[in-house]
Amino acid sequence: AQSVAQPEDQVNVAEGNPLTVKCTYSVSGNPYLFWYVQYPNRGLQFLLKYITGDNLVKGSYGFEAEFNKSQTSFHLKKPSALVSDSALYFCAVRDIGTGGFKTIFGAGTRLFVKA
Amino acid sequence: DSGVTQTPKHLITATGQRVTLRCSPRSGDLSVYWYQQSLDQGLQFLIQYYNGEERAKGNILERFSAQQFPDLHSELNLSSLELGDSALYFCASSHGGITGELFFGEGSRLTVL
Repeated sequence: AQSVAQPEDQVNVAEGNPLTVKCTYSVSGNPYLFWYVQYPNRGLQFLLKYITGDNLVKGSYGFEAEFNKSQTSFHLKKPSALVSDSALYFCAVRDIGTGGFKTIFGAGTRLFVKA
Repeated sequence: DSGVTQTPKHLITATGQRVTLRCSPRSGDLSVYWYQQSLDQGLQFLIQYYNGEERAKGNILERFSAQQFPDLHSELNLSSLELGDSALYFCASSHGGITGELFFGEGSRLTVL
């Protein structure tokens, strides 16, 4: 079965510094990987996805992610963090079964950006 | 605004009761997914429907059931409620393609007392 792991429960960065939120995956076949963000008392919002092609994927709000096949990683990055980036971030993978497919989410990483 | 509508936003009920959560997907989306989010279990996939048919099933309890209607809205029924069922229940929709991202509603917060 497909799975993703987010090794850090929490990441703390100062505003203006680069940020990285880590994700590793385990899949059989082609990986379809996603990042979502959840603000307090809100639903998840899609940030970006890797399907195929360029290993560097650009998404919403200045975020990008780097797909690394040899390290089975899909880390989320942003060159300069904002206080408003503070939220819960989920890495996810598409799990393809017979007749349907589901998206499996990691446990989430809470990002705190300090002013 | 994701375009996915969930009702009710909040629900408080007692153990042993039954509740129904409703979801209207984004216009044009054929797939609906239900997820449960709790503090200790994270985001757990429950079930997926595509154009009225069940397509994928996760760790959904037998006390829970769902369906997707011809107008594509979906309902999640939770019965014989237990304290541990207290959680945030999310509905998400997508166009149904394998590479499509999910669009989430704001969730229904269920509290079982």
